[in-house]
Amino acid sequence: KNQVEQSPQSLIILEGKNCTLQCNYTVSPFSNLRWYKQDTGRGPVSLTIMTFSENTKSNGRYTATLDADTKQSSLHITASQLSDSASYICVVTHYNNNDMRFGAGTRLTVKP
Amino acid sequence: GAGVSQSPSNKVTEKGKDVELRCDPISGHTALYWYRQSLGQGLEFLIYFQGNSAPDKSGLPSDRFSAERTGGSVSTLTIQRTQQEDSAVYLCASSQQGDSGELFFGEGSRLTVL
Repeated sequence: KNQVEQSPQSLIILEGKNCTLQCNYTVSPFSNLRWYKQDTGRGPVSLTIMTFSENTKSNGRYTATLDADTKQSSLHITASQLSDSASYICVVTHYNNNDMRFGAGTRLTVKP
Repeated sequence: GAGVSQSPSNKVTEKGKDVELRCDPISGHTALYWYRQSLGQGLEFLIYFQGNSAPDKSGLPSDRFSAERTGGSVSTLTIQRTQQEDSAVYLCASSQQGDSGELFFGEGSRLTVL
């Protein structure tokens, strides 16, 4: 079983709407949790990185939250744009061995 | 260059041939990673180089896969006797601080084995 589970697998929303992507993990203890955006045919690009002591981090219209007690993170996208269409990947780093675990990603499509 | 550079961007080969994929990390980054991404799948860790330490090869799927990093900079991922299941995008990433730092990814090398 993957130690990082993302939901939904895919999502379609209309331009201008907000959405929230979920990441549940079992990696424990962990040192940091990252969200990446991967455009089709491109490499992933970092959006946010949070340590275990942080519970929110913003990057423009992207806001990531972290609840270390429930082992859940979410990525909220505000006022979506067509360019937000991409896969969003959650990555959790194990504290002891620095092993990074990748989620399978959520494929977001923003339609006009 | 300013970012991680990978070549070739696309490679089509016949089953049984060997291929080499190259990664130029960001200058000064001590950590370098190789990942494999199959269509619609998440990233699969292959190998990790950190400075002069012995690489972490725990993710290599078989002995047909190998990688080296010369002079602590450029890395080459070699796949021998390619199989159709090797078809995927191979992503390279580098980091200044190892696993605690931000990962910067290249655009990937898309490998198609016919």
